Amino acid sequence: EPEVTQTPSHQVTQMGQEVILRCVPISNHLYFYWYRQILGQKVEFLVSFYNNEISEKSEIFDDQFSVERPDGSNFTLKIRSTKLEDSAMYFCASSDRGTPETQYFGPGTRLLVL
Amino acid sequence: DQQVKQNSPSLSVQEGRISILNCDYTNSMFDYFLWYKKYPAEGPTFLISISSIKDKNEDGRFTVFLNKSAKHLSLHIVPSQPGDSAVYFCAASVGAGNNRKLIWGLGTSLAVNP
Repeated sequence: EPEVTQTPSHQVTQMGQEVILRCVPISNHLYFYWYRQILGQKVEFLVSFYNNEISEKSEIFDDQFSVERPDGSNFTLKIRSTKLEDSAMYFCASSDRGTPETQYFGPGTRLLVL
Repeated sequence: DQQVKQNSPSLSVQEGRISILNCDYTNSMFDYFLWYKKYPAEGPTFLISISSIKDKNEDGRFTVFLNKSAKHLSLHIVPSQPGDSAVYFCAASVGAGNNRKLIWGLGTSLAVNP
């Protein structure tokens, strides 16, 4: 069964460093998303992406964040200058044209900023 | 942000019995509701969804009921199995086309005891 994959599974970085989280969505899906979950809190929407551009972004998704689909398969989230409060699980998701409301999630990347 | 609420942080059920997980919402613009299951160190796995124009959707052991007037939905698992032990998230979909996002509850941890 097709699935969303994410790398790395864990990332430890120093505050102020740049990180890139990578995702490979399900191959025939057209809509891509990033969410995050800070420990003990709700899963929060960050950004949605379609047709090579951002469709919507939350207030969390400030200028430190960017997304890119550099080729036909990868979807990346970049955090330019990490802060302590960026420590969280980051989930990538994708959905298809027929059922865009149903999002399928990857296993997540646990980011720890020291 | 209290748009989706799961008021029970945990639930314990005997194997073979029914598990009922509840979810309340406040936003009338939500048009789909989804249930996800999550094991530790994994991403959320889509279980079942319901459109806001329906009141029931069934898939095997899983049934979701929607009471739109009460802004309440529930997930029934019958019969419950030990492998169902996980955190269950209620999520609501809002938006249209490529501008969709999911708003999440905090989750309910289900323990099914043999």
